[in-house]
Amino acid sequence: QSALTQPASVSGSPGQSITISCTGSSSDVGIYNLVSWYQHHPGKAPKLLIHDVTQRPSGLSNRFSGSKSGNTASLTISGLQAEDEADYYCCSYARSKTWVFGGGTRLTVL
Amino acid sequence: QVQVVESGGGVVQPGRSLRLSCAASGFSFSIYAMHWVRQAPGKGLEWVAVVSYDGSDKYYADSVKGRFTVSRDNSKNSLYLEMNSLRGEDTALYYCARDQDYGGKFDYWGQGTLVTVSS
Repeated sequence: QSALTQPASVSGSPGQSITISCTGSSSDVGIYNLVSWYQHHPGKAPKLLIHDVTQRPSGLSNRFSGSKSGNTASLTISGLQAEDEADYYCCSYARSKTWVFGGGTRLTVL
Repeated sequence: QVQVVESGGGVVQPGRSLRLSCAASGFSFSIYAMHWVRQAPGKGLEWVAVVSYDGSDKYYADSVKGRFTVSRDNSKNSLYLEMNSLRGEDTALYYCARDQDYGGKFDYWGQGTLVTVSS
């Protein structure tokens, strides 16, 4: 159950787009379309942004989108806003009803 | 509205035990799988355990297998995590989270309860 690999930090200016990668293996991301993404403002509860690789929960802004290629999933945030500054985590189903998270990416809005 | 509220955290010595609780409200607790996820200080999220909607299936991360036990009481809308043989590396903020379809869609989370393992 090795953690998925995410960049430690990314940054962008308001209005720009950024992409956060999440690299796993053929035992998790590569074999299951069960990747989800979470936004976490410190001190608050994490928030589900994307599930099943590309699906957004009802009511969530379409500025957030997800994709996957091989063993790597990605989260793209378009039209960056100040309130997007937070930590972002990917998560994948691994095997036998176990899950694995990424190490997290700190997004800074410049 | 949907709410999950964790409790039971505190300071505990290495080797001792602690029981966390998660009180659910605002939804039909008995039809959802529930998870525990933790975050060590300065670290990322780590999946800990899951229990199926009826409590019949339980799965654990390798890091806690054999030491932690997840359970639920649907009559009380409550989730539990019994933690034994605690280690320093178990120090973390522990969250409970609802799983929308037992596929890893953690759609509602609590604010967490802090466990500190220290002598």
